[in-house]
Amino acid sequence: QVTLKESGPALVKPTQTLTLTCTFSGISLSTNAMRASWVRQPPGKALEWLARIDWNDDKFYSSSLKTRLSVSKDTSKNQVVLTMTNMDPVDTATYYCARHLVNAFDIWGQGTMVTVSS
Amino acid sequence: QSALTQPASVSGSPGQSITISCTGTSSDVGGYKYVSWYQQHPGKAPKLLIYEVGTRPSGISNRFSGSKSGNTASLTISGLQAEDEADYYCSSYTASSTLGYVFGTGTKVTVL
Repeated sequence: QVTLKESGPALVKPTQTLTLTCTFSGISLSTNAMRASWVRQPPGKALEWLARIDWNDDKFYSSSLKTRLSVSKDTSKNQVVLTMTNMDPVDTATYYCARHLVNAFDIWGQGTMVTVSS
Repeated sequence: QSALTQPASVSGSPGQSITISCTGTSSDVGGYKYVSWYQQHPGKAPKLLIYEVGTRPSGISNRFSGSKSGNTASLTISGLQAEDEADYYCSSYTASSTLGYVFGTGTKVTVL
């Protein structure tokens, strides 16, 4: 059974950098064709795709946020890490990691709520 | 990467069929077979219902079906049930300016 779990701070201050970790269980991030994405959802609003990292370390970012995002993986820990710089209150959202089924998201973590406030 | 357009709400009575549309452009929905649909209950993570326009993952009821025509994709829920009341999102692969994914604006389904 494949499970994903996000972790990170629940509260960050404006201008700070957010670092979130997604821990995979039941599957290795090194598996051929493995892809993982980050998706966020502000309260009461729609989903927004942020970034993707592949098994071969290829990385892709939302065009509107690419200057603030960085995604990486630690295969020894089976973790994917997202960093987002210069956080703003509009970045308040639930952040999800998700495993890909080609170009769909078939397994999601439970999500972690991040509030940006001073 | 502008959001795909979905109706804000759709409703139906138990047993009826409803259809949710998802309109994009030739750079996303119309250009690729990679349209997917998700169901999200309040406070829960999204759940994949349909991928590659019309394919159901294992374990998903055949009451859910997907299709596409031009730049518009559709999700049909047949035999509507109370537990289908949720938010639904479409998503598409896009490679217009840069590779990525775009989600729809979301549709609230109400079972009357």
